[in-house]
Amino acid sequence: AQSVTQLGSHVSVSEGALVLLRCNYSSSVPPYLFWYVQYPNQGLQLLLKYTTGATLVKGINGFEAEFKKSETSFHLTKPSAHMSDAAEYFCAVSSNAGGTSYGKLTFGQGTILTVHP
Amino acid sequence: NAGVTQTPKFQVLKTGQSMTLQCAQDMNHNSMYWYRQDPGMGLRLIYYSASEGTTDKGEVPNGYNVSRLNKREFSLRLESAAPSQTSVYFCASGRQFTSNQPQHFGDGTRLSIL
Repeated sequence: AQSVTQLGSHVSVSEGALVLLRCNYSSSVPPYLFWYVQYPNQGLQLLLKYTTGATLVKGINGFEAEFKKSETSFHLTKPSAHMSDAAEYFCAVSSNAGGTSYGKLTFGQGTILTVHP
Repeated sequence: NAGVTQTPKFQVLKTGQSMTLQCAQDMNHNSMYWYRQDPGMGLRLIYYSASEGTTDKGEVPNGYNVSRLNKREFSLRLESAAPSQTSVYFCASGRQFTSNQPQHFGDGTRLSIL
């Protein structure tokens, strides 16, 4: 079985400050990891993903995330927050091996990011 | 470029009524999914279709049925709606049923059951 824990249901930062959204996963096999963003009254959009290769992955809108196997983490960062980054962010995990989790995403609970002027 | 289209966007039902949520994708994707989103619980998989002609249960299938009508369309049916099914429902599609493919989401159907 696989699971995702996002630490902090709400994160508030000032415009221009560092954004750090935490994600820890549990998986019995090597994972594929994703971050999605959801703006109000919209569906989820892919920010970035880790499958194989480089552990630091860059996504859209200046976001990046680093896969740390030893810490089972995939935290999302952005050096300087912008007002337009205010949204809900979801971390998700999938299995890269067979089994019941293959081909399916397991989502974390979500983190609402607020950006203050 | 519509992507994944869900209808309706909003719906209010009474307990015991039935309803079908429609989903269509125009990206020639093979796999399709239905999720529900509840506050503080993220998205939970209801049913999925790995390819045209197949459907399987996800994490929370009770009270729902699905139909993969063709490669483009995947509908979700509530036979006898209950207040616990009040939620936001999202349809998603993926190029292939593999773990490294991202899923593309519709804008959701907001369903209230009184």
